[in-house]
Amino acid sequence: GEDVEQSLFLSVREGDSSVINCTYTDSSSTYLYWYKQEPGAGLQLLTYIFSNMDMKQDQRLTVLLNKKDKHLSLRIADTQTGDSAIYFCAERDNQAGTALIFGKGTTLSVSS
Amino acid sequence: KAGVTQTPRYLIKTRGQQVTLSCSPISGHRSVSWYQQTPGQGLQFLFEYFSETQRNKGNFPGRFSGRQFSNSRSEMNVSTLELGDSALYLCASSPDGPNQPQHFGDGTRLSIL
Repeated sequence: GEDVEQSLFLSVREGDSSVINCTYTDSSSTYLYWYKQEPGAGLQLLTYIFSNMDMKQDQRLTVLLNKKDKHLSLRIADTQTGDSAIYFCAERDNQAGTALIFGKGTTLSVSS
Repeated sequence: KAGVTQTPRYLIKTRGQQVTLSCSPISGHRSVSWYQQTPGQGLQFLFEYFSETQRNKGNFPGRFSGRQFSNSRSEMNVSTLELGDSALYLCASSPDGPNQPQHFGDGTRLSIL
């Protein structure tokens, strides 16, 4: 079945770059998404990438997609304490229309 | 533009009761999806509504149901509540069209005693 895998924790120092990794299983996924969840809040859409792209950059965020390995990564440059949150990778469930399949989330902890 | 609004933010119920949660999508968005988030299972898709019709459904028992109104607002209902239904219920809306990104509300935290 379809599954999205992420490492559970990442700890970085303020000012460093953070790289959050994700693997997905459905090679026919057309869009892949990154969401951020802060304590007590819902999911905030950070960015998304179309499967015919290798890279997408948006200010401090860079998404890299390796379709051959079904690997997606999110790089946050100059990580700030305000970036501390849980980051979710998601792919579209092609068996169920618009439904998203989420990874378990990566908790990013930024220390000053 | 206002974001996705979910009410109430918090609910406490007891086993056997039923509950109704509400979601107002972003203006102009016609698709509304619901997800359940728990520490053990993570984020799981419940169902999606479009033009007042359920378009997709996840793998949840029939106690979980929903509906959508003509103004795209949606409600979900859970009957005969069980302890395991304690979760954060998230609503997401999107414009129609393939692969339009979903935008989420802050959720309703449901606690079952």
